[in-house]
Amino acid sequence: DTAVSQTPKYLVTQMGNDKSIKCEQNLGHDTMYWYKQDSKKFLKIMFSYNNKELIINETVPNRFSPKSPDKAHLNLHINSLELGDSAVYFCASSPGTGIGEKLFFGSGTQLSVL
Amino acid sequence: GNSVTQMEGPVTLSEEAFLTINCTYTATGYPSLFWYVQYPGEGLQLLLKATKADDKGSNKGFEATYRKETTSFHLEKGSVQVSDSAVYFCALSVGYKLSFGAGTTVTVRA
Repeated sequence: DTAVSQTPKYLVTQMGNDKSIKCEQNLGHDTMYWYKQDSKKFLKIMFSYNNKELIINETVPNRFSPKSPDKAHLNLHINSLELGDSAVYFCASSPGTGIGEKLFFGSGTQLSVL
Repeated sequence: GNSVTQMEGPVTLSEEAFLTINCTYTATGYPSLFWYVQYPGEGLQLLLKATKADDKGSNKGFEATYRKETTSFHLEKGSVQVSDSAVYFCALSVGYKLSFGAGTTVTVRA
């Protein structure tokens, strides 16, 4: 069983479209994250939820909106996609608040905006 | 602010060579330090961690020691294998947030 699973694995879309990426973890963890990895492999945190409450909200365009219907799911919705949104998006989870804890990552969603 | 600086790659080595990837950090408070590894086409996996000064993390032949006096957490492996080819990320955690370095791509040739 995959611990942190995200779908789709690949997403190719046109500029201006709206798309969603889904993430689910079956580890019973309290905290989930979204990270963005650019073409140079640089990883930047976008959001974090602990028990469905937002605890980290980095400087991200408000076109990006996370939604956590329950603590096992954290979805990422992106409106009006732009070329610069092309990247690999990783979902992750950790047991508690993440302080000093190991993060478990999904295998990534490669988003290509044309 | 809290940040991590790691040596730039790419690094190319022959099998059985010694690997060092330098990592230094800037942090307020007392961070936990990590090394994560990303194999091609996969998500990141924790390689090792250290939560306080002088702790040594080790896993799969890799080691790193938390040096508060030099604010460093350098990753080392004595004899690399082709299967160690990956991107290695140094990271620190202060409070809720885990901040990553820029990643170092390592290629090991047979």
